[in-house]
This record gives sequence, structure tokens and C-alpha cells, in this order.
Amino acid sequence: GQQVMQIPQYQHVQEGEDFTTYCNSSTTLSNIQWYKQRPGGHPVFLIQLVKSGEVKKQKRLTFQFGEAKKNSSLHITATQTTDVGTYFCLSGAGSYQLTFGKGTKLSVIP
Amino acid sequence: GAVVSQHPSWVICKSGTSVKIECRSLDFQATTMFWYRQFPKQSLMLMATSNEGSKATYEQGVEKDKFLINHASLTLSTLTVTSAHPEDSSFYICSARRTGQGVGEQFFGPGTRLTVL
Repeated sequence: GQQVMQIPQYQHVQEGEDFTTYCNSSTTLSNIQWYKQRPGGHPVFLIQLVKSGEVKKQKRLTFQFGEAKKNSSLHITATQTTDVGTYFCLSGAGSYQLTFGKGTKLSVIP
Repeated sequence: GAVVSQHPSWVICKSGTSVKIECRSLDFQATTMFWYRQFPKQSLMLMATSNEGSKATYEQGVEKDKFLINHASLTLSTLTVTSAHPEDSSFYICSARRTGQGVGEQFFGPGTRLTVL
């Protein structure tokens, strides 16, 4: 199956700082989804990106899909302690969502 | 809406026994459900895609005779770990996609912690 690389693996930020996680694929994706998993919890859907160059915003979260549809990013502005968790991308090709990225674990220092 | 439950939430069994895990979509119909395995501090690994009324599609490296999947209705999929061994100990999570959603979001269950002694 397709491979998707997600970086960084861990990120520690001071509350109020920004945070970005990236997912990169060697193949063109049909879509990409982002999920958040709180410690001890299960993944919760955040967003789906389908179009080349698409940018979507949810309050302090900004999601981008690259022009070539091979990479995506999630940016959080002015992190808060409630942002703590692991953020995963889920890449899709065709009709199937095949591969989760390894996730970026975000720690926010108050 | 869009709640997915899993039962049991945790199970401890002896080596060699079989364990069945249920995944239910409580307030929507799900033609497609997914079974994942998650190791501590790692990402989710897709094991198989379960389609209502047809055979599951297993990912490469996943033994279909060991991890039996049945999706007999639009709200229920089961994963049976047959002849479980300690290396099968893991966190198993299912997810479900609404019927007719195509490539849409997956709603995840809370997971089942399996410990094989």
C-alpha cells in the first residue's frame, strides 16, 4: 500500500506558541483526512481535504492540501492545553483510506 | 449522532482461546467498517476492511484465518481472534463509515484492550 510520512513525531510547545505537523506521500493522493486522538481516547475526525491546494480553517486550526496532492499540513495557532493529543493524517487513494501517518504527539506546556 | 461502540472494552484470555470483539454503529448504518490495531505509542495499523454481506478485505500480512471478520448487518461487525497468543495482545479499534458517504469520515469506537496470558 501507499506510504505516508508524518513529521515531527513529537512536539513540545509553550502554551501560546504555534504548532505544525506535516504528512508527505510519494504518490498522489485522492484525499487526506486529519484526526486527533487524546490520551486514552480514540481518534476523532477533524477534516477532509480533497482538492489540490485546498485550505480549510477551523478556529485556530488551518489545514492545507498541497498543489500536487502529495502533502498536507495541520497548523495550530496559539496552542492551548486543550490541544494536547496525537494528530494523525489518514491518506486515501481511490475509494479506500489505507494508511495512517505515524502521528505527531503534541505536548503543551502551560 | 454517529456513535460507534465496541464490546468488550477490555478482555484477558488464556493462550489458545478465541476472543470475539463486537463493533456496532448505534445510530447510523455502516456498509463499511474498518478494523485497526494500535500498539503502545504507535499509530493505527489497518488490519482489514469489513463490508456488509461480503468477505472482508485483509491488508498484507494479516492472517485472515486468525482474525475472522463477519459483517452480517449494517450496524454490526465482529472480529474474532482465533487461538490467541501473547503476541496478539494489543489495542483493537474499529471504525465505521456511514452508508452512502463514499470516501468520508470514519467514526471510531472506543477500542478493545486484549491481553493474552
